[in-house]
Amino acid sequence: KNEVEQSPQNLTAQEGEFITINCSYSVGISALHWLQQHPGGGIVSLFMLSSGKKKHGRLIATINIQEKHSSLHITASHPRDSAVYICAVKGSQGNLIFGKGTKLSVKP
Amino acid sequence: EAGVTQSPTHLIKTRGQQATLRCSPISGHTSVYWYQQALGLGLQFLLWYDEGEERNRGNFPPRFSGRQFPNYSSELNVNALELEDSALYLCASSLDRAYNEQFFGPGTRLTVL
Repeated sequence: KNEVEQSPQNLTAQEGEFITINCSYSVGISALHWLQQHPGGGIVSLFMLSSGKKKHGRLIATINIQEKHSSLHITASHPRDSAVYICAVKGSQGNLIFGKGTKLSVKP
Repeated sequence: EAGVTQSPTHLIKTRGQQATLRCSPISGHTSVYWYQQALGLGLQFLLWYDEGEERNRGNFPPRFSGRQFPNYSSELNVNALELEDSALYLCASSLDRAYNEQFFGPGTRLTVL
């Protein structure tokens, strides 16, 4: 079993839909990251969470430390949101441990 | 403020050769992380340097090595290249080893023929 599990692996949505991507982890963490990767490879850090909820524009990230679970929500999705979204946790060794990513495609 | 930079952008080598990849962290950052993203696989942790020392390494063979210079820039060396080393290599920097947030560079795409 992977230490960081994401679901779904692939997600297709219509423009305007509300999107949720889930992440579960099995290790102790000091922080959880949500990352966005566009075709071509560049990675952008969207959120870093250690508790509660954060919001940035149409993006909302939540974390439940007791349940070892985090969600990334996108409201009013747009084709430019199409990307791979990656959940990563910082474990006790200092490095990030990554989920396999969720490939999101938003159709106009 | 400049972000994390990596060079070269693309690198093509043949099997058995050596590759050297470079990373410059954000000014003031002392920690540098290296990650590999092979085609069809997720991101895998390679190496972590902080204050010039190797702090941790992932599950990769010894032919993957690196170093961190006094100005905190870093170099990743891959010896005796194999076809499966073809991947996107990403560098990230962090303020220091206790700080959680990491900032990623654009990556170096290594192709081994």
